[in-house]
Amino acid sequence: KQEVTQIPAALSVPEGENLVLNCSFTDSAIYNLQWFRQDPGKGLTSLLLIQSSQREQTSGRLNASLDKSSGRSTLYIAASQPGDSATYLCAVNSEYNTDKLIFGTGTRLQVFP
Amino acid sequence: DVKVTQSSRYLVKRTGEKVFLECVQDMDHENMFWYRQDPGLGLRLIYFSYDVKMKEKGDIPEGYSVSREKKERFSLILESASTNQTSMYLCASSFWTGAIHEQYFGPGTRLTVT
Repeated sequence: KQEVTQIPAALSVPEGENLVLNCSFTDSAIYNLQWFRQDPGKGLTSLLLIQSSQREQTSGRLNASLDKSSGRSTLYIAASQPGDSATYLCAVNSEYNTDKLIFGTGTRLQVFP
Repeated sequence: DVKVTQSSRYLVKRTGEKVFLECVQDMDHENMFWYRQDPGLGLRLIYFSYDVKMKEKGDIPEGYSVSREKKERFSLILESASTNQTSMYLCASSFWTGAIHEQYFGPGTRLTVT
């Protein structure tokens, strides 16, 4: 059974820092990996999707990498801003059941001025 | 932009009531999903649908049913609401393109059952 773990569970950093959020998964037979952002009391916003054949994806100050064989992904946020404060979730879908996303429990990020 | 909308942001219902949560997407996606999100448990899949009138149970279908009469609309039904169904409910839709299967989420419905 696929399990997705995110470390750390919470992170508090000063504005301007570069930071790394980690996601690990137990079964490397994944199809895609998605990173989402969730603001308090709101839905999920898709940030980046990495196909299993890709190593990384970039969008603005965000860069997500994927090492499928070791079961790891990282989300790198450059020059963090208070507006980046949110919970970040990663999710994978399996090669054998691509309809279902398995989510990690998230990293709650606070960026203070 | 893909838009997934949910009928209510906040809902308060009494134990035993029948509750309908509605979700609509405007991008002609085949797949639609209902999740619930609880602190410490993360997101858990309740039901999903890959076509009109088709449905599949997710990980926690007990106490719920769904309806998909039109492609753009997916309804979650609590036949007899109970306090342990107090939660945040999230709807999503997805599409396939090449090797990509990406899900898009609605804003969520915070349901409180008293």
